[in-house]
Amino acid sequence: EIVLTQSPGTLSLSPGERATLSCRASQSVSGSHLAWYQQKPGQAPRLLIYGASSRATGIPDRFSGSGSGTDFTLTISRLEPEDLAVYYCQQYGSSQTFGHGTKVEIK
Amino acid sequence: EVQLVQSGAEVKKPGESLRISCKVSGYSFTNYWITWVRQMPGKGLEWMARIDPSDSYTHYSPSFQGHVTISTDKSIDTAYLQWNSLKASDTAMYYCARSDETLIGLFDYWGQGTLVTVSS
Repeated sequence: EIVLTQSPGTLSLSPGERATLSCRASQSVSGSHLAWYQQKPGQAPRLLIYGASSRATGIPDRFSGSGSGTDFTLTISRLEPEDLAVYYCQQYGSSQTFGHGTKVEIK
Repeated sequence: EVQLVQSGAEVKKPGESLRISCKVSGYSFTNYWITWVRQMPGKGLEWMARIDPSDSYTHYSPSFQGHVTISTDKSIDTAYLQWNSLKASDTAMYYCARSDETLIGLFDYWGQGTLVTVSS
């Protein structure tokens, strides 16, 4: 099973700042089958990024994904108050597993 | 509009049985897999099991095999997650999510979640 390690555990930033979230896989993720989900408090997860770098329908362009192999990054270019959430990475190339999440707090 | 609407919150006692549902609309039910995902209080997401509604083929995570059963009713575009004997440790939020048959593990739409509380 591919284990995904997300860092940092919590990120506390001010509106307008840039957020960089990391997801490291225990082995290479085939086909860059890596997704990012956003889960706001009290809500279901929402797909943000798939294929490591493709934005899902309706996702603002301040969200971007990059990476390949074992190292992946989600970047929020300019944080907005509504970006308060936990962000999970997920690999779906070999069965599927989720990371434990990064909580983004807004100062 | 694609929607996955789950049944309401449940409060049960240990040993009781339970079935929760996920009714879909806005797309052809048999063209997408349905997966169930558990989220224990304050914790992350865990894949439990998935089903292909076109032929009812199922695949369970080893962690949940034998403890839950998933099924569908194509006549009413609904998927189910069932327990025969609940434990306190089953207390969690449960989500259904759909995925395309070509990328079975990628979930583009999710239900709103069903909170299950198991307590004596």
